Amino acid sequence: QVTLRESGPALVKPTQTLTLTCTFSGFSLSTSGMCVSWIRQPPGKALEWLARIDWDDDKYYSTSLKTRLTISKDTSKNQVVLTMTNMDPVDTATYYCARMRYSGSYYVFDYWGQGTLVTVSS
Amino acid sequence: DIQMTQSPSSLSASVGDRVTITCQASQDISNYLNWYQQKPGKAPKLLIYDASNLETGVPSRFSGSGSGTDFTFTISSLQPEDIATYYCQQYDNPYTFGQGTKLEIK
Repeated sequence: QVTLRESGPALVKPTQTLTLTCTFSGFSLSTSGMCVSWIRQPPGKALEWLARIDWDDDKYYSTSLKTRLTISKDTSKNQVVLTMTNMDPVDTATYYCARMRYSGSYYVFDYWGQGTLVTVSS
Repeated sequence: DIQMTQSPSSLSASVGDRVTITCQASQDISNYLNWYQQKPGKAPKLLIYDASNLETGVPSRFSGSGSGTDFTFTISSLQPEDIATYYCQQYDNPYTFGQGTKLEIK
């Protein structure tokens, strides 16, 4: 059974760095072809993909946010960590981590965590 | 980045109605398109991948079609539990989603 759970601060101040942890079970990020992504959703708005990390430690980032994002993994702990620097109130959102499965043609987000709401306010 | 345009942004229909949502990509993405359902306060759930393949366990009243730049998502007979927001998403990195279609019961 695949599960993912996001954890991190519920409130951060402007200019601070956000660190979120995705702890997962039911699969291994050392397995060839496995990937995990972070996706966020501001209140009442659409989904926005942020970053992806692969089993071989390849990393990919959102075009608009790549200067602020770092994704990493700890395979032994079954964790993926996302850091986002210089937080701003517009970054207030629910942050999700999701496993990515190869569909035969490309990757899909097949399992999602329940999300964690991060509010940016002084 | 590939832009995804969904329409309508909201939709009100009656139980039993046939419901259709469209999604247009800013460039050719072949059939590499997914559809997700998001119920209020919940994470998105994958319904359809490769434009028309139903994810395991998803009811057959859900279907998808299209290729290239134009795609359609259909619920053949709307059920009360289908109330949600639906998103399309294209396959290419960086991944992008449509703006969502909020489906309500009339």
